[in-house]
Amino acid sequence: QITLKESGPTLVKPTQTLTLTCTFSGFSLSTSGVGVGWIRQPPGKALEWLAVIYWDDDKRYSPSLKSRLTITKDTSKNQVVLTMTNMDPVDTATYYCVRSSSGGGTYSPFDYWGQGTLVTVSS
Amino acid sequence: DIVMTQSPDSLAVSLGERATINCKSSQSVLYSSNKKNYLAWYQQKPGQPPKLLIYWASTRESGVPDRFSGSGSGTDFTLTITSLQAEDVAVYYCQQYYNTPYTFGQGTKLEIK
Repeated sequence: QITLKESGPTLVKPTQTLTLTCTFSGFSLSTSGVGVGWIRQPPGKALEWLAVIYWDDDKRYSPSLKSRLTITKDTSKNQVVLTMTNMDPVDTATYYCVRSSSGGGTYSPFDYWGQGTLVTVSS
Repeated sequence: DIVMTQSPDSLAVSLGERATINCKSSQSVLYSSNKKNYLAWYQQKPGQPPKLLIYWASTRESGVPDRFSGSGSGTDFTLTITSLQAEDVAVYYCQQYYNTPYTFGQGTKLEIK
C-alpha cells in the first residue's frame, strides 16, 4: 500500500522560510523512474506544480518559484523535504506531496497524493 | 510553459446524462518517438486531494469506472462521463506531463442539474 503524508507548520509569518516534509511508504525513491514532488492549491483555486525530485537526484522546479525552492531527498528515511523561502500571504495554500512512477521511462502523471497540509502565511 | 485551458469552467448535467469537458494545450503534448500524449485527468472532490482518472490521454487508472473516458491527441483533449452519477460531482483538472514545468488546467466544476 502506497501512502504519502505531509508534515510541517500550519502557520508561518511573512518573510519566514517554510519547511515541509513528505514521508512516504510502499515504494522506494531509489527505484528507476520514481519521483516525488509537491503541488499546491490556494483556497478555492487551481493546482500549481512546484517541484519534483527523481530517483537519480534529478531536480526540477517551477521557473516562477525556482529562486525560492529547494527539494531534497533522504532515501533511507523515505522522506522528501521542500523548503520555500521568503513566504508571503499569497503562498497560503494546501500543499500536496505526490508520487510519479514511469517504470524507467519518461515523465509520468501523479498517481498517488498525500492528503495535503494547509499552510497559512500571516503575521 | 505549456498553458492548459479547460472549457467550460462549470457544467451542470442531469443524472444519467453525459458530461463532456474539454482541455486544450498551447503546444502539442504528443511525443513523436512513442506516439503517446502526455495528458492526464484528475478528479477532486470537496475536501479531498485530486485523484488520477486518466493518463496517456485515454488510459483509465485502475479502479476508475468505465463511464469515464478520455480522448484526443496533440493539443485537444476531452474527458467524457457517460451516465453521470451523484458521486461524480467534483472539480476536474487536466494536466500535461510532456515537460516541466508540469501544468494544470484551471479546473471544471461539475454539478448535478
